[in-house]
Amino acid sequence: GENVEQHPSTLSVQEGDSAVIKCTYSDSASNYFPWYKQELGKGPQLIIDIRSNVGEKKDQRIAVTLNKTAKHFSLHITETQPEDSAVYFCAASKSGNQFYFGTGTSLTVIP
Amino acid sequence: EAGVTQSPTHLIKTRGQQATLRCSPISGHTSVYWYQQALGLGLQFLLWYDEGEERNRGNFPPRFSGRQFPNYSSELNVNALELEDSALYLCASSWKTSTDTQYFGPGTRLTVL
Repeated sequence: GENVEQHPSTLSVQEGDSAVIKCTYSDSASNYFPWYKQELGKGPQLIIDIRSNVGEKKDQRIAVTLNKTAKHFSLHITETQPEDSAVYFCAASKSGNQFYFGTGTSLTVIP
Repeated sequence: EAGVTQSPTHLIKTRGQQATLRCSPISGHTSVYWYQQALGLGLQFLLWYDEGEERNRGNFPPRFSGRQFPNYSSELNVNALELEDSALYLCASSWKTSTDTQYFGPGTRLTVL
């Protein structure tokens, strides 16, 4: 089955700096890659996703890049704010299969 | 549009008892997924239901079971509860297939004493 690895497990940045979280996947047939943000005591919320026919997608301060050849994708958050502090999960999926999640990155934005 | 709802919010049981957790998907979504999230850990896939059928299950013992009703709502049952079953149980729903976006509910916090 698919194996998704996520790094780093914890990340601290100063407010206003950028944060980058990286994930790798093992199944070259995976074609959908969402990112979720989970705040304490809440369920994960989708923040951005990308499909395998696209190399990059951006939504305001958040962007995701996908390298199908290397089988890795990354989340980029620019101009970080304290409210960006949360746990972020990546996932990979292909048709007919469930999502495979990374182990999560705890992001702390220091004011 | 209402999101995914789960009930109860919190559930406290003792070892050996049974727990029933409920999930209502977003209107129009036919697939429901269940995940277990133990404290400080990631999301472990439990079960996937679509159109009333179990499509896949994760690496959990048979005492974790569930079903999906004709209105696409779903129920997760955990029998013979063990202390290590204490976790946040998350339900997600999607439009049709596994490559459609999954939207999560707030979860049910199960505590086994």
